[in-house]
Amino acid sequence: GAVVSQHPSRVICKSGTSVKIECRSLDFQATTMFWYRQFPKKSLMLMATSNEGSKATYEQGVEKDKFLINHASLTLSTLTVTSAHPEDSSFYICSAPGTRSTDTQYFGPGTRLTVL
Amino acid sequence: AQKVTQAQTEISVVEKEDVTLDCVYETRDTTYYLFWYKQPPSGELVFLIRRNSFDEQNEISGRYSWNFQKSTSSFNFTITASQVVDSAVYFCALRGAGNNRKLIWGLGTSLAVNP
Repeated sequence: GAVVSQHPSRVICKSGTSVKIECRSLDFQATTMFWYRQFPKKSLMLMATSNEGSKATYEQGVEKDKFLINHASLTLSTLTVTSAHPEDSSFYICSAPGTRSTDTQYFGPGTRLTVL
Repeated sequence: AQKVTQAQTEISVVEKEDVTLDCVYETRDTTYYLFWYKQPPSGELVFLIRRNSFDEQNEISGRYSWNFQKSTSSFNFTITASQVVDSAVYFCALRGAGNNRKLIWGLGTSLAVNP
């Protein structure tokens, strides 16, 4: 099946710093990627849709300036949490539709962000 | 509007028991896709199955089986002879047809299989 990687898997940072999370499709190209946020014992919340070669589409209530998304190539999307605060601490997950079965999304292993 | 309901928040069973996880969906689309994902404690989401709206055939994969019934808008998931390794959160999701690939997620069912 399609493989999606995320880096880093875990990050701890100080309040006020920015953190970049990378999402890569390893064995397929992805013109679209999705970024989710998941709170403990909660469902996934879609934050934005990352589009290669164009601006990301953000869900209602998600701050564009806070969560910067860049889809640099057909295999890489990045999410930057700017000026992070403790309330940004969460589990961030990316996904990409596989090419063999374009209706199936394959997920990265997630990044656990802790802001002190 | 599209919606996915997983009414069971938590289920606890003893190993070797069979367990069914319920999923009820709402959509006005005639073409749509249903999914089940498993999220073990490690956090990584594992794809289990995809079913399109035109295929009501039930599916069995080892100890896993899925019962898709359009008449009741349900897509239930049964684990037969459960094992401790089945302990995880299971999510049901819905996606409409067309270019919009956003998934609509249920809240998940946390399954604990005890030895």
